[in-house]
Amino acid sequence: KAGVTQTPRYLIKTRGQQVTLSCSPISGHRSVSWYQQTPGQGLQFLFEYFSETQRNKGNFPGRFSGRQFSNSRSEMNVSTLELGDSALYLCASSILQGNTGELFFGEGSRLTVL
Amino acid sequence: GIQVEQSPPDLILQEGANSTLRCNFSDSVNNLQWFHQNPWGQLINLFYIPSGTKQNGRLSATTVATERYSLLYISSSQTTDSGVYFCAVFDNYGQNFVFGPGTRLSVLP
Repeated sequence: KAGVTQTPRYLIKTRGQQVTLSCSPISGHRSVSWYQQTPGQGLQFLFEYFSETQRNKGNFPGRFSGRQFSNSRSEMNVSTLELGDSALYLCASSILQGNTGELFFGEGSRLTVL
Repeated sequence: GIQVEQSPPDLILQEGANSTLRCNFSDSVNNLQWFHQNPWGQLINLFYIPSGTKQNGRLSATTVATERYSLLYISSSQTTDSGVYFCAVFDNYGQNFVFGPGTRLSVLP
């Protein structure tokens, strides 16, 4: 079956703009979580959605937001982009939420902010 | 929250050599996974191994939960094994997965 699909794969934005990233989980998976990966901070948890509800949020400013739709697809949005938002954004899906799930990752969306 | 350390940070091997990667964590866990990040950035599942030992081809992993560490063994390494290896554990306090800093492996032909 198809894996986790993230779009777009690459994008370039300028400071102050906003960006929306999309993630389609593996069929049947209801949990979607997002991670930011930078050379300096490594992989950091952004948020987790399960059944259209945000279950947990990492230590990121309010400019980072997300949502999940009834078909389990998820989007994350970053508003008022800053240079430091340049990163690889990874989405993971899991059958179950939280501790009970095994994570499966997409290929990521690589964002460059100029 | 839970702290995750990985060692060594960098490892260079000749093709055919064996290696052991280590993951230490600061609190008890009941969900631990190993991933390989390929040069294109995708994280590939290697093992879901909260305890015990598993093997998959040339790779095997062991988690000793009571002593708070996990080991990933790579035997007869190949150039395609190059990349960064991460362990991730579930933080029961923060209710999210925490990743270690990774081990960067380079396998030379």
